[in-house]
Amino acid sequence: AQTVTQSQPEMSVQEAETVTLSCTYDTSENNYYLFWYKQPPSRQMILVIRQEAYKQQNATENRFSVNFQKAAKSFSLKISDSQLGDTAMYFCAFMISLPYSGAGSYQLTFGKGTKLSVIP
Amino acid sequence: SQTIHQWPATLVQPVGSPLSLECTVEGTSNPNLYWYRQAAGRGLQLLFYSVGIGQISSEVPQNLSASRPQDRQFILSSKKLLLSDSGFYLCAWSAQNEQYFGPGTRLTVT
Repeated sequence: AQTVTQSQPEMSVQEAETVTLSCTYDTSENNYYLFWYKQPPSRQMILVIRQEAYKQQNATENRFSVNFQKAAKSFSLKISDSQLGDTAMYFCAFMISLPYSGAGSYQLTFGKGTKLSVIP
Repeated sequence: SQTIHQWPATLVQPVGSPLSLECTVEGTSNPNLYWYRQAAGRGLQLLFYSVGIGQISSEVPQNLSASRPQDRQFILSSKKLLLSDSGFYLCAWSAQNEQYFGPGTRLTVT
């Protein structure tokens, strides 16, 4: 079974500063994907960034980047130049293909989330 | 572009009453669809997924059921709600190794 652990229930950062959110996971799978989702107060789940396990290069999306350490099963998210709109719950998620299902079916396992507050 | 709709947005129901939550996807055909539940202070838990009309797989046995009467419609139901069914329910669809979520339904069972 897959597990995802986010050890920081809450974090805060000053506007324009940089913050790193931690995530570790446990799996015996070799092919998988990792994601960070953002859930603002509206509760809409928004995909922030994704990483394929077979890629060594860390993914980057504008101010968001990850530090993917496959051997250590670690997947942290760095937010640079934090903005007030970054205030949200952030969930780390692990995805594998669902067994005995059609192509394109996946199971996401989520961590419990980190509540990030950006302070003006 | 693809969009995913859920309704109602919020719902308050008494214990023992039935439930029907609806999810529809536009802009794609034969999507893989998912129902998740998010309890307070926790991450998302996969409840059901569907790879086609009439094809439902359950990940967690519980008081809920799902149906897929049409290609782009996914329904979450219960015959008798329990207090523990309260939570935030999210529908999602997957494509190209990513999942996209709807706006969710907040269910409160009283």
